[in-house]
Amino acid sequence: GNSVTQMEGPVTLSEEAFLTINCTYTATGYPSLFWYVQYPGEGLQLLLKATKADDKGSNKGFEATYRKETTSFHLEKGSVQVSDSAVYFCALSGVYNFNKFYFGSGTKLNVKP
Amino acid sequence: NAGVTQTPKFRILKIGQSMTLQCTQDMNHNYMYWYRQDPGMGLKLIYYSVGAGITDKGEVPNGYNVSRSTTEDFPLRLELAAPSQTSVYFCASTPGGVNDEQYFGPGTRLTVT
Repeated sequence: GNSVTQMEGPVTLSEEAFLTINCTYTATGYPSLFWYVQYPGEGLQLLLKATKADDKGSNKGFEATYRKETTSFHLEKGSVQVSDSAVYFCALSGVYNFNKFYFGSGTKLNVKP
Repeated sequence: NAGVTQTPKFRILKIGQSMTLQCTQDMNHNYMYWYRQDPGMGLKLIYYSVGAGITDKGEVPNGYNVSRSTTEDFPLRLELAAPSQTSVYFCASTPGGVNDEQYFGPGTRLTVT
């Protein structure tokens, strides 16, 4: 079946540090992959996505590359800011039922000034 | 374009009471979803709909009911509220294309005491 595994948090970094949040997936075929961000008290919003192998999604300084060989979609940012403090969710949409979405458990990021 | 709206934002219920959580989207999306998010956890799918008049169960449907009489609205009904239903509820929608992402509402925080 389809599933997403994320590294457990919380992740605590100092401002301007490098961020990596690991995400691996299990799926049949080639799903679309997503990173969502949830700021305190808000709903999830799309951060970036990639729809085929070797695609790189990017937005607001965040990047993630769709790696089919390692079934991974790790989120990275070169220099985090306090305003990046949030919960990050990795997700995939099913290949044969592309309107079913599978979410990881979320990784909380705390950035200290 | 308001996106996905949810009402109410907060609600406290007594055990055994019933209520309806409202969800409306103005993007003419075919697919709509209800998730719950328990503290520190990821999202669990309660129900989803692929179009007006069509609904299906997700992974945690017990204690809930839905209807979809129009494209725009997808209310979630809680009957006989229990403390285990204390959670944050998110409504989401997606157009229905292969690589489309989900759009989330701001959530309803429900406490059952």
